[in-house]
Amino acid sequence: EVQLVESGGVVVQPGGSLRLSCAASGFTFDDYGMHWVRQAPGKGLEWVSLISWDGGSTYYADSVKGRFTISRDNSKNSLFLQMNSLRPDDTALYYCAKAGYSSGWSNFDYWGQGTLVTVSS
Amino acid sequence: DIQMTQSPSSLSASVGDRVTITCRASQGIGSWLAWYQQKPEKAPKSLIYAASSLQSGVPSRFSGSGSGTDFTLTISSLQPEDFATYYCQQYNSYPTFGGGTKVEIK
Repeated sequence: EVQLVESGGVVVQPGGSLRLSCAASGFTFDDYGMHWVRQAPGKGLEWVSLISWDGGSTYYADSVKGRFTISRDNSKNSLFLQMNSLRPDDTALYYCAKAGYSSGWSNFDYWGQGTLVTVSS
Repeated sequence: DIQMTQSPSSLSASVGDRVTITCRASQGIGSWLAWYQQKPEKAPKSLIYAASSLQSGVPSRFSGSGSGTDFTLTISSLQPEDFATYYCQQYNSYPTFGGGTKVEIK
């Protein structure tokens, strides 16, 4: 059974930093790209970032480019999101999601339960 | 960015009704389209990928169709557990989602 478990969400002040983690199990982690998707309270879904199976390629939404960094540790089946220069509009539930295909752009076939990031003074 | 427009934004329906939700892309995306179901306080769940392929374990009352710019999600006979919000997502390029369709009980 595929499981994705996010952690690291907290309340942080504007301008602060945070690192989210996602622990994956139930599939061959290094066969798939991995994504972060976020959802602001009461709003829709917004794709944030993608990392390729080997970590060699990364992609970001314009809204986070230059501030967020996605990474992975295939030896530990883990995905990360380093979030810097946080702004109030980054407040959201952050989901880790598995790519449906082994390469390229894809759907998200499995999602974690999400971790809440609140940016507020 | 490719914009995804869903309609309607909400609908009321009864158990047993046939429900259709549409999604339009701002440019052609081939069949690179997925549909998700999200219930309150829960993570989205994958229903359909590649416009018409049913995700494993999803009931056959769900179906998807379309290609290019116009797509449809159909629930053939609405069940009590289907009341939720539905999102489309394109993955022809950087992923973008539709605004969602909330399916409520009539």
